[in-house]
Amino acid sequence: QVQLVESGGDLVKPGGSLRVSCKVSGFSVSDYYIHWIRQAPGKGLEWVSYVSSGPAYTNYADSVKGRFTISRDDAKNSVELLMNSLRVEDTAVYYCARRLATERLDLWGQGTLVTVSA
Amino acid sequence: SYVLTQPPSVSVAPGQTARISCGGNNIGSNSVHWYHHKPGQAPVLVVFDDSDRPSGIPERFSGSNSGNTATLTISRVEVGDEADFYCQVWDSHTDQQVFGGGTKLTVL
Repeated sequence: QVQLVESGGDLVKPGGSLRVSCKVSGFSVSDYYIHWIRQAPGKGLEWVSYVSSGPAYTNYADSVKGRFTISRDDAKNSVELLMNSLRVEDTAVYYCARRLATERLDLWGQGTLVTVSA
Repeated sequence: SYVLTQPPSVSVAPGQTARISCGGNNIGSNSVHWYHHKPGQAPVLVVFDDSDRPSGIPERFSGSNSGNTATLTISRVEVGDEADFYCQVWDSHTDQQVFGGGTKLTVL
């Protein structure tokens, strides 16, 4: 079955760190770009980061650059997002999604909730 | 950075046609993709490349894109279509995905 499943969401204090994962089934994570997108409570979708197919190039939104690191584990067929120096405004449901040609995101996971609060 | 502007809400009666706009500078030169998103569920791609539909998406969903506005059209709206709808493009200058602010479709 072709799917993405996020995990690792939790409650963390401001300034803390958290790693969320995206487990891929039904295709090889190394063959596709995988993106992270988040939705803060009451807000819209916000793109966060991607890791490319092949050489695993990465890119980040300005709001998380320098704090978040995306990585790919081909052996585990998964993608991870390491989040450091977390802020209250990072509170959101984090989704991973697969990118196809013309930059469309054809397959999404159900999301994992990250809450940053004292 | 590139900005996409959507109306916060659109309301329509069942059986009528809903049109959701997505404004952006010369958006007609981009490929626009549309997603619907229901609370607690994964977003779903409903239109890609301005006007194509993924398999499994009803023909009632269609799209167009020209000039500074892209439009998602939902014909014969059903109560089950109620959701938030987002447009999305790729910004080639920053190599980043850009989403519109989202439009809440209410079926009266």
